[in-house]
Amino acid sequence: TQLLEQSPQFLSIQEGENLTVYCNSSSVFSSLQWYRQEPGEGPVLLVTVVTGGEVKKLKRLTFQFGDARKDSSLHITAAQPGDTGLYLCAGAYRSNTGKLIFGQGTTLQVKP
Amino acid sequence: AAGVIQSPRHLIKEKRETATLKCYPIPRHDTVYWYQQGPGQDPQFLISFYEKMQSDKGSIPDRFSAQQFSDYHSELNMSSLELGDSALYFCASTLRGSRYEQYFGPGTRLTVT
Repeated sequence: TQLLEQSPQFLSIQEGENLTVYCNSSSVFSSLQWYRQEPGEGPVLLVTVVTGGEVKKLKRLTFQFGDARKDSSLHITAAQPGDTGLYLCAGAYRSNTGKLIFGQGTTLQVKP
Repeated sequence: AAGVIQSPRHLIKEKRETATLKCYPIPRHDTVYWYQQGPGQDPQFLISFYEKMQSDKGSIPDRFSAQQFSDYHSELNMSSLELGDSALYFCASTLRGSRYEQYFGPGTRLTVT
């Protein structure tokens, strides 16, 4: 049973399109992190959200944490081929040692 | 900025052999996590250490052990290797109290033949 459901698992779009990736759980997280991972390399931290309703922007990427801290979304505006990669959400539970529970990942392909 | 260092980057072992993976956290980080990522899978938590003491344990086989040393580097020792142990092994570090922001190393790719 996946504790953190990430969708879609695969997304192929044209350059310039917008997209949203969702991360949902029935549990409350103390923090939620988004990573990007290239094949054979370690995940690279994009953002951490900790407050319900929090919105963070990183250039064309917008991250939102749900009010109840059970879900999060990643929105990319005007996607570019350089955005191609695997995006992972990962949550740390409250009263925990900080171990991360990962979603299944979203493989994004942006075609020129 | 300094990142997490892992060595070796690639390791090939035969079944029933042993392997030792090393992790050097970002300077001043006091917590280390180990994750295993199989092909096409998301990373799975194995074990963590805070201030040289084991702080949490996940789905780590009894054949594996780990420790954190006085200089905060950590080693993952794997014995009686099985084909199913072939995976990417990541180490991540954080400073406790920093909202659990974990920074991952480049990983060690272990291949068991």
